[in-house]
Amino acid sequence: DVVMTQSPLSLPVTLGQPASISCRSSQSLAHRNGNTYLNWFQQRPGQSPRRLIYQVSNRDSGVPDRFSGSGSGTDFTLKISRVEAEDVGVYYCMQSTHWPPYTFGQGTKLEIK
Amino acid sequence: EVQLVESGGGLVQPGGSLRLSCAASGFTFNRHPMHWVRQGPGKGLTWVSRIDGDATSLTYADSVKGRFTISRDNAKSTLYLEMNSLRGEDTAVYYCVRDNGAPENWGQGTLVTVSS
Repeated sequence: DVVMTQSPLSLPVTLGQPASISCRSSQSLAHRNGNTYLNWFQQRPGQSPRRLIYQVSNRDSGVPDRFSGSGSGTDFTLKISRVEAEDVGVYYCMQSTHWPPYTFGQGTKLEIK
Repeated sequence: EVQLVESGGGLVQPGGSLRLSCAASGFTFNRHPMHWVRQGPGKGLTWVSRIDGDATSLTYADSVKGRFTISRDNAKSTLYLEMNSLRGEDTAVYYCVRDNGAPENWGQGTLVTVSS
């Protein structure tokens, strides 16, 4: 199984400041078809998860452009250019290249400092 | 708009059974694989099972293999999860998730509590 490791697990951020979350996989997430199936999800308090990013860097519809994803191979990053209050929650990376099983990172809890 | 509404959760004793349902709308149901993903109390997300659009391919996490069965009724646009031999560690919110190249849209979840 592919192990997904996120850091940090807790991320206090000042409003308006940038934030960055790292996600590393235990093996390359590059699929033989040329795509890399690394996704990012946001789970606000009391809500269901919502996908923000698919295939490393593609933002889902309605996701603010302050969110961006990057990376390749085994190293990936989610960046928020300027954190807003509504960004509070837990962020998960998830790989869908080598399945079953689909695997998630442990989650990174973003809070406002 | 994609809508996924889970139901069927509740309190069940260890060793018991439960059947979850997920009513889908807002998209062509039979064109999309579907997943169940669960979240234990205060825990992270764990993938449980996947079924493809025509139900010919079913996959499971090792932790539920042989105990859980995923199925779908495309005429009713409904996804199911039959859960047997339930254990305390199965206690979680269970989410129904639409796959659109990868897991994308999530329902609100239904809580399953396994306890005596």
